[in-house]
Amino acid sequence: GENVEQHPSTLSVQEGDSAVIKCTYSDSASNYFPWYKQELGKRPQLIIDIRSNVGEKKDQRIAVTLNKTAKHFSLHITETQPEDSAVYFCAASMQSGGYQKVTFGTGTKLQVIP
Amino acid sequence: DGGITQSPKYLFRKEGQNVTLSCEQNLNHDAMYWYRQDPGQGLRLIYYSQIVNDFQKGDIAEGYSVSREKKESFPLTVTSAQKNPTAFYLCASSIEGGYGYTFGSGTRLTVV
Repeated sequence: GENVEQHPSTLSVQEGDSAVIKCTYSDSASNYFPWYKQELGKRPQLIIDIRSNVGEKKDQRIAVTLNKTAKHFSLHITETQPEDSAVYFCAASMQSGGYQKVTFGTGTKLQVIP
Repeated sequence: DGGITQSPKYLFRKEGQNVTLSCEQNLNHDAMYWYRQDPGQGLRLIYYSQIVNDFQKGDIAEGYSVSREKKESFPLTVTSAQKNPTAFYLCASSIEGGYGYTFGSGTRLTVV
């Protein structure tokens, strides 16, 4: 089955700096890569996603890059703000028995220091 | 509240007791899922359902059961066979299986 590794597990940055979270996946059949943000005590929320036919996607201060050859994808947050502090999960998704099976990474706790 | 509601928010279970977690959505999503979240382990899939009256086991289904009698509802029962049930349980739904989940706010289950 698919295996998703996520690094680092914790990340502290100064406000205004950039943050990068990296994930690798094992199965080349994965074709959809969402990122979720979970603030303390709240539900995970989809913040950005990318499909395998695209190499990069941006949405304001966040961007995701995908390298299919190397089987890795990354989340980039620029000009970080205190409200970016949360746990971020990457995921890899593929068709499996008529169902889009999603495998999550173990999460990165991002702390933005004012 | 986001279209998917989980209840209760906190639940305490005695040893040997079955408990049922509720998940209701009004998003008209076909697919629904149950995940378990433990510290340092990310989200692990317990069960999923793509249509009414059909559901499939996920990666950690042992000790759990589900039903999908209505499109809107996907309750999870944690049985006494689940040896380590203390965790945060998240329900999710999607319009296409797996493409962009909407999560509920979760139920924190504690065994006392």
